[in-house]
Amino acid sequence: KAGVTQTPRYLIKTRGQQVTLSCSPISGHRSVSWYQQTPGQGLQFLFEYFSETQRNKGNFPGRFSGRQFSNSRSEMNVSTLELGDSALYLCATSHGGSQETQYFGPGTRLLVL
Amino acid sequence: GESVGLHLPTLSVQEGDNSIINCAYSNSASDYFIWYKQESGKGPQFIIDIRSNMDKRQGQRVTVLLNKTVKHLSLQIAATQPGDSAVYFCAESLDSSYKLIFGSGTRLLVRP
Repeated sequence: KAGVTQTPRYLIKTRGQQVTLSCSPISGHRSVSWYQQTPGQGLQFLFEYFSETQRNKGNFPGRFSGRQFSNSRSEMNVSTLELGDSALYLCATSHGGSQETQYFGPGTRLLVL
Repeated sequence: GESVGLHLPTLSVQEGDNSIINCAYSNSASDYFIWYKQESGKGPQFIIDIRSNMDKRQGQRVTVLLNKTVKHLSLQIAATQPGDSAVYFCAESLDSSYKLIFGSGTRLLVRP
C-alpha cells in the first residue's frame, strides 16, 4: 500500500505570494491533518479534515486555510506569505476515528525569501 | 525533518545498549499517546502508541511506559542500533480532538 504523498517536496516563494500544497492520503484513509514544523516552535497542528469538512483547527492566522476533496486528497493554502512561514509542512492521514494512528508524509519544505 | 529544534536534548548511547527517552506531557486529560521517530529529510514515522487505560505496551525492541500520576511517558529501545539514530517525539491527544500535541523532541545518537 502506497504511503502518504506530498507535493511539491520543495518550494521557494517570496513575501506576499501565496502557495498551495497538496497531500494524498493512504488508500482508505479519510482524515488528513496538517502540521507545521519549525526549529523554533517544533511541530504544531494546523487543521484536520474528514469527509471534506474541517473538524479541528489550530491556532494559526486566517492566512492558513485548507480543503479536502471527495477522494480525500487535501490541499492547504497560505496567502500573503511572511518570512516566518518558512517551515516543513507535514500532512498526516488516518481512517478518521479517535485514537487512530496518524501516518505522516515526507513533507513540503517551504522557503520564503 | 532536518533540524527540528536548535537546542534539542541529546541522548548518546553505545550501540547494543538500551536507550530510554523521556517525555513529560502537558494535559492530564490526554488519553492517547504516541511515539514518532524522525530521520533527517523525512516525515515522522510511527513507532508505538498507548492508551490511557494501559501503563505499558511492548513492540518489537521498543516499550512505552505511561505514568499518568506524574504525566510522564517513556520510550525504551532495546539493543540500540545505528539505524535508531534520529529525533524522537512524543505526542498526546484528547479523545475526539483528532489533533496531536507534540513534545519538543529528543535526539538519539548511537555510537558505533
